[in-house]
Amino acid sequence: EDQVTQSPEALRLQEGESSSLNCSYTVSGLRGLFWYRQDPGKGPEFLFTLYSAGEEKEKERLKATLTKKESFLHITAPKPEDSATYLCAVQAGSGGYQKVTFGIGTKLQVIP
Amino acid sequence: DAGVTQSPTHLIKTRGQQVTLRCSPKSGHDTVSWYQQALGQGPQFIFQYYEEEERQRGNFPDRFSGHQFPNYSSELNVNALLLGDSALYLCASSLRPNYGYTFGSGTRLTVV
Repeated sequence: EDQVTQSPEALRLQEGESSSLNCSYTVSGLRGLFWYRQDPGKGPEFLFTLYSAGEEKEKERLKATLTKKESFLHITAPKPEDSATYLCAVQAGSGGYQKVTFGIGTKLQVIP
Repeated sequence: DAGVTQSPTHLIKTRGQQVTLRCSPKSGHDTVSWYQQALGQGPQFIFQYYEEEERQRGNFPDRFSGHQFPNYSSELNVNALLLGDSALYLCASSLRPNYGYTFGSGTRLTVV
């Protein structure tokens, strides 16, 4: 069974204090790894898709990287508006049957 | 360009009742996936509809059923509601089953 584990479950940072969130996965036939941001009571908002080990993507203060077993979401000089839950999801399988499995998320709080 | 639209936004039902949730996909998308997100948890895959057929299903009982209409919109039906069905129900649409998702804001279902 596909498994996605995110750590830490919660992270509290001072504004400007850079850090990284981790997503480790055990799947058969990885097709893609996704990062989403979710604000309270809202649906997840797409951030990045990574397809192969070594791939990196950036958006403003966020940078996502991928290895064969895990992905990191690096947050550089975060601001209070970056506070949210960050979800990792993997798409795996073969042919017409590809399933997306989510992790539990990392709840990030950035303090001014 | 409208994103994914879900209705209603909030719903309170009594244990044992039945509920129908609705989803209109993003313009141009033909695939709809439904997820259940309990408080503090990651989204759990319920099922996916493409070409008006259920293509994939997660580990949910038969009390959970769905439908996709010719205009690609979808409904999620839950029968014999249990207290444990209380959650945020998310609809995600995509262009074809194996492409990236766009999520709606969800329907918050409370079973009392």
